[in-house]
Amino acid sequence: AQSVTQLDSHVSVSEGTPVLLRCNYSSSYSPSLFWYVQHPNKGLQLLLKYTSAATLVKGINGFEAEFKKSETSFHLTKPSAHMSDAAEYFCVVSEWSDQFYFGTGTSLTVIP
Amino acid sequence: DAGVIQSPRHEVTEMGQEVTLRCKPISGHNSLFWYRQTMMRGLELLIYFNNNVPIDDSGMPEDRFSAKMPNASFSTLKIQPSEPRDSAVYFCASRGVGGTQYFGPGTRLTVL
Repeated sequence: AQSVTQLDSHVSVSEGTPVLLRCNYSSSYSPSLFWYVQHPNKGLQLLLKYTSAATLVKGINGFEAEFKKSETSFHLTKPSAHMSDAAEYFCVVSEWSDQFYFGTGTSLTVIP
Repeated sequence: DAGVIQSPRHEVTEMGQEVTLRCKPISGHNSLFWYRQTMMRGLELLIYFNNNVPIDDSGMPEDRFSAKMPNASFSTLKIQPSEPRDSAVYFCASRGVGGTQYFGPGTRLTVL
């Protein structure tokens, strides 16, 4: 069975400091993993995805995530937060089926 | 590429009325998904289609909800009759061979 756990429902960081959003997954096979971002009153935008190539995945807007099979983790990071990064972030796992399994989301607040 | 197109973007209706939400997937994508997002329940998959055929509708709340995909470029989600608890943001997403789902901007439905 597939599932995703986002370990923090809310994260606050100061502008210019690093961002870490944590995600753990459960999967029987080799999963595809995704991070999406949702700004207020907007749709979901793909940040990055992992599909069994390089374990360190670079995405848009300076974000990256590292796939760690031994820890079943896919944490999202960014070296320096910007005010425009304030949004809701979703971690997603998918296996052989077409379906996506979403985490419950992490709300990122960036303090000026 | 215009991305996934949804209409209307906002819908306000009265309880008991029929509501029809529309979606145009990205050209060439063969899978289409309908989701509902609320504060209480987060993102829920309602139904998805492969090659215009409904594959899994187990997420459809009840018989008041129905979805169709008459061709590869158009899908509808209908609620009849609508109820206040149906108020939510409804997203459509489409998926091609790469496995990534691309989301539309959503339809914000308010049932009074």
